Amino acid sequence: GQQVMQIPQYQHVQEGEDFTTYCNSSTTLSNIQWYKQRPGGHPVFLIQLVKSGEVKKQKRLTFQFGEAKKNSSLHITATQTTDVGTYFCAGFRGGATNKLIFGTGTLLAVQP
Amino acid sequence: DAGVTQSPTHLIKTRGQQVTLRCSPKSGHDTVSWYQQALGQGPQFIFQYYEEEERQRGNFPDRFSGHQFPNYSSELNVNALLLGDSALYLCASSLGRTNTEAFFGQGTRLTVV
Repeated sequence: GQQVMQIPQYQHVQEGEDFTTYCNSSTTLSNIQWYKQRPGGHPVFLIQLVKSGEVKKQKRLTFQFGEAKKNSSLHITATQTTDVGTYFCAGFRGGATNKLIFGTGTLLAVQP
Repeated sequence: DAGVTQSPTHLIKTRGQQVTLRCSPKSGHDTVSWYQQALGQGPQFIFQYYEEEERQRGNFPDRFSGHQFPNYSSELNVNALLLGDSALYLCASSLGRTNTEAFFGQGTRLTVV
């Protein structure tokens, strides 16, 4: 079945350092979404990427969709304690399916 | 404008029992998807409801069933509960069946003892 893996599983940074999580799918995705889940909370939508090679920025966050539409990345510049949480990528395989397949997630810890 | 609401927030059940979880979608949304999230893992797609019908289903046994009502609210039913069914059950609403942003509720924490 389709798998979406993320690395690293866990990252601990000092406040102010940069952070990157990588997402890799075993199959081509029609689009990819990123969600953030705070400890004890629920996933919150961050962004959706649709086009091959697409790059989007939200303040300190930069999202990228790979040329082959099988991988994606999220980069956070100068992390803050408010960035703490688990970051999930989630993709649609396309076609008739509307199943959103979540990645394994990366837990980010930020030390002040 | 209320977001996605789920009830109850917490639930403890005994093995073999049945449980019903409820979800009200965000105003204006007509599609409801259910996910199971085990501790430390990503949400796993259970099924999606649109126009009161199950449109997509993940790899979950028939013990998991659902329903969508004319007002777009939805229920998730799990029969013959197993210890392994203990998880956070998330409801997500979206508009239409296309690949759009999903709004998640706070979830129902189910513990099976």
